[in-house]
Amino acid sequence: QITLKESGPTLVRPTETLTLTCAFSGFSLSSNAEGVGWIRQPPGKALEWVALIYGNNDKRYSPSLRNRLSIIKDSSKNQVVLTMTNMDPEDTAAYFCALTPTDILSSTWFDPWGQGTLVTVSS
Amino acid sequence: DIQMTQSPPSLSASVGDRVTISCRTSQSISNFLNWYQQRSGSAPRLLISAASSLQSGVPSRFSGSGSGTDFTLTISSLQAEDSGIYFCQQSYSFLTFGQGTRLDIK
Repeated sequence: QITLKESGPTLVRPTETLTLTCAFSGFSLSSNAEGVGWIRQPPGKALEWVALIYGNNDKRYSPSLRNRLSIIKDSSKNQVVLTMTNMDPEDTAAYFCALTPTDILSSTWFDPWGQGTLVTVSS
Repeated sequence: DIQMTQSPPSLSASVGDRVTISCRTSQSISNFLNWYQQRSGSAPRLLISAASSLQSGVPSRFSGSGSGTDFTLTISSLQAEDSGIYFCQQSYSFLTFGQGTRLDIK
């Protein structure tokens, strides 16, 4: 059974750096033909793709957030870590991690997803 | 950027109704279009990949069609558990989600 679970702070201050961890099981993320992505959802709003890392360590970022993001994987710990700098109240959202069973961005869909973690940005 | 327009933004239908949700893209994306269901308070669930491939475990009343710029998700006979928000997602150029269609049961 494949599972993913997000963890991290529930509250961050404006200008601070957010670090989120996705702990997964049921796959290794050492194969080329899979990846883990981050997707966020502001309260009551639509989904927004944030970043993605493949088993071969290829990394892709949302163009609108690229300058603030870093994604790494630790296959030995079965974790993916997302870092987002210079947080703003507009970054308040539920952050989900999810598996993609491909190493090709154009064939990417996400299944399954973690339960999500709500991050609030406020002073 | 590829813009995605879902319609309608919301709808209400009765159990047993046939429901269709549209997703239109600002440029052709071949069949690089996926559909998700998000029930209240839950994470999204993949229903359809590559425009028309039904995922394992998804009821056969769900179907997807379309290519190019116009796509449709159809629920052939609506059930009470189908309420939620439905999102389309393109992967032709980066990854973008539609704004969602909220489906309520009358």
